Amino acid sequence: LAKTTQPISMDSYEGQEVNITCSHNNIATNDYITWYQQFPSQGPRFIIQGYKTKVTNEVASLFIPADRKSSTLSLPRVSLSDTAVYYCLVGDKNRYGGATNKLIFGTGTLLAVQP
Amino acid sequence: SAVISQKPSRDICQRGTSLTIQCQVDSQVTMMFWYRQQPGQSLTLIATANQGSEATYESGFVIDKFPISRPNLTFSTLTVSNMSPEDSSIYLCSVEARHGGDEQFFGPGTRLTVL
Repeated sequence: LAKTTQPISMDSYEGQEVNITCSHNNIATNDYITWYQQFPSQGPRFIIQGYKTKVTNEVASLFIPADRKSSTLSLPRVSLSDTAVYYCLVGDKNRYGGATNKLIFGTGTLLAVQP
Repeated sequence: SAVISQKPSRDICQRGTSLTIQCQVDSQVTMMFWYRQQPGQSLTLIATANQGSEATYESGFVIDKFPISRPNLTFSTLTVSNMSPEDSSIYLCSVEARHGGDEQFFGPGTRLTVL
């Protein structure tokens, strides 16, 4: 499974757009890129997944360049409640075509949103 | 989505004892996963548990230390055996999404402190 590299921490203010970039130079052809969010004392929660170009849902956008060696999670207009650790993962789909079976978590990025 | 509960939510144990953590899912799932998250660290996969077969352990984790049961499609247990203070962690179970869902769902975790 491809290894990921993210910044250890980021700071932001309420209302700003936050972009967290993840490097995955050894991503395989079949790998998808998935981001999870973890609040203190909770299990991780899925945010978004993509393979290439851009994916957007009600929570975030995911930008993936053509070479797929990196990806950027974009959180629009963050609030204090977005303070959490954000994990970037890469891996293959499972037999249902859904989430990768085996999640290998990297160090994650601690996003601190200030008022 | 899947709703996952874990028992106990937290415990304080003495060195040399064992603790069994329960994971209950509100729907039938084939694969369940057990993770460990040491204080201030990322998640590390311990093992994958399929119903009706032996669990598959990741490098650095062995069955004698972390025996796992998977008696049916909605339940699993992880036992932390012969505990030492180094076993103090949060233990989380997760399940894969079914039928093409992109995410895995995590339980709230069990916070274990070993004295």
